[in-house]
Amino acid sequence: QVQLQESGPGLVKPSQTLSLTCTVSGGSISSGGYYWSWIRQQPGKGLEWIGYIYYTGSAYYNPSLKSRVTISVDTSKNQFSLNLSSVTAADTAVYYCARDARSIDPWGQGTLVTVSS
Amino acid sequence: EIVMTQSPATLSVSPGERATLSCRASQSVTTNLAWYQQKPGQAPRLLIYGASTRATGIPARFSGSGSGTEFTLTISSLESEDFAVYHCQQYANWKTFGQGTKVEVK
Repeated sequence: QVQLQESGPGLVKPSQTLSLTCTVSGGSISSGGYYWSWIRQQPGKGLEWIGYIYYTGSAYYNPSLKSRVTISVDTSKNQFSLNLSSVTAADTAVYYCARDARSIDPWGQGTLVTVSS
Repeated sequence: EIVMTQSPATLSVSPGERATLSCRASQSVTTNLAWYQQKPGQAPRLLIYGASTRATGIPARFSGSGSGTEFTLTISSLESEDFAVYHCQQYANWKTFGQGTKVEVK
């Protein structure tokens, strides 16, 4: 079955860019039929959808984050990535990658990213 | 943005009892509604999509109902592994989640 794994720095300085990669195993991003999403969960809060990408490279973003988010895909590596620029402490969260068929399943285990100097 | 409101924030239930969780959308999402279960330190797990269809491997004690703006997740007889946080999510217009309902042991 499809599994996803996030990777990237656990600590980012304010004003810098947060960069995470999601590696997909057990299935090919290029097979189509699904979008590939990033979602985050700030401490003690609910879930927030950040955006998603199709294997063709077409990406769609949460309007509230659109100005700072870029999601890209590398089909040769079966990976997709998140860049979030100009981060502040409010961007501290567990970041999840997931397969998206409108409902979201499965999810990666999540990675905690802390924004602090 | 469609705002999803879940109630109650915390539900105290004894094992074997029935739990009823509510989710309300600020505008109609028809049946574009999913429910997820999240345990501490874990990622969410899809339970229900299309408002009422159980995801693969989800026990029959979980059921979803509703359409438009009012939705319900029912756990017919709570088992120990069901104590967790439950999130609803709409996918009619982008994606937004509720704040979650924590189901705790009474």
